[in-house]
Amino acid sequence: DAGVTQSPTHLIKTRGQQVTLRCSPISGHKSVSWYQQVLGQGPQFIFQYYEKEERGRGNFPDRFSARQFPNYSSELNVNALLLGDSALYLCASSLSAYEKLFFGSGTQLSVL
Amino acid sequence: QQQVKQSPQSLIVQKGGISIINCAYENTAFDYFPWYQQFPGKGPALLIAIRPDVSEKKEGRFTISFNKSAKQFSLHIMDSQPGDSATYFCAALNNAGNMLTFGGGTRLMVKP
Repeated sequence: DAGVTQSPTHLIKTRGQQVTLRCSPISGHKSVSWYQQVLGQGPQFIFQYYEKEERGRGNFPDRFSARQFPNYSSELNVNALLLGDSALYLCASSLSAYEKLFFGSGTQLSVL
Repeated sequence: QQQVKQSPQSLIVQKGGISIINCAYENTAFDYFPWYQQFPGKGPALLIAIRPDVSEKKEGRFTISFNKSAKQFSLHIMDSQPGDSATYFCAALNNAGNMLTFGGGTRLMVKP
């Protein structure tokens, strides 16, 4: 079975632009979470979606938004990009909100 | 606001030795404590996890020790191998089951 897939793998944007990152969970998994990992640090929670509803939001500005589709895939949107948004964005899926998380390999976003 | 503190930041161990990584948490609302292993260019992968009603859990060469009163837990890697060289993260899951708080990571190098 395929694991969590994320696209694109790498992305370069300039300040002020908008970006959309995509995630396909493991088949059968209904929960998707997004994490931001800055180089040299641990991942930080951004959002969790379960059954297409937002179930949790981390301490990130409103420039960050996400949604989950009927097929349980998800998109993370970041508006008005700042240099500090440069990071590895990780998507994780699980069977339910309490199950162990399976992470994808991430999207490396560079903001210039 | 770092609620999970991890040490050391880096660790060098000889092949066959024991690697020990420590974490301490502040929030008593955590009730599930996983450890993740991350290789360069990959997302974190779950190694082993423990709940606070258990003081120790062992899976193969990996052991978690948990001290609820001290709010500390540690990962022991027995018979460390060069293939164990990676970054290790401790984490804690909140009671709602929707957010993992990660430690800052430990970069482990096992020398042959």
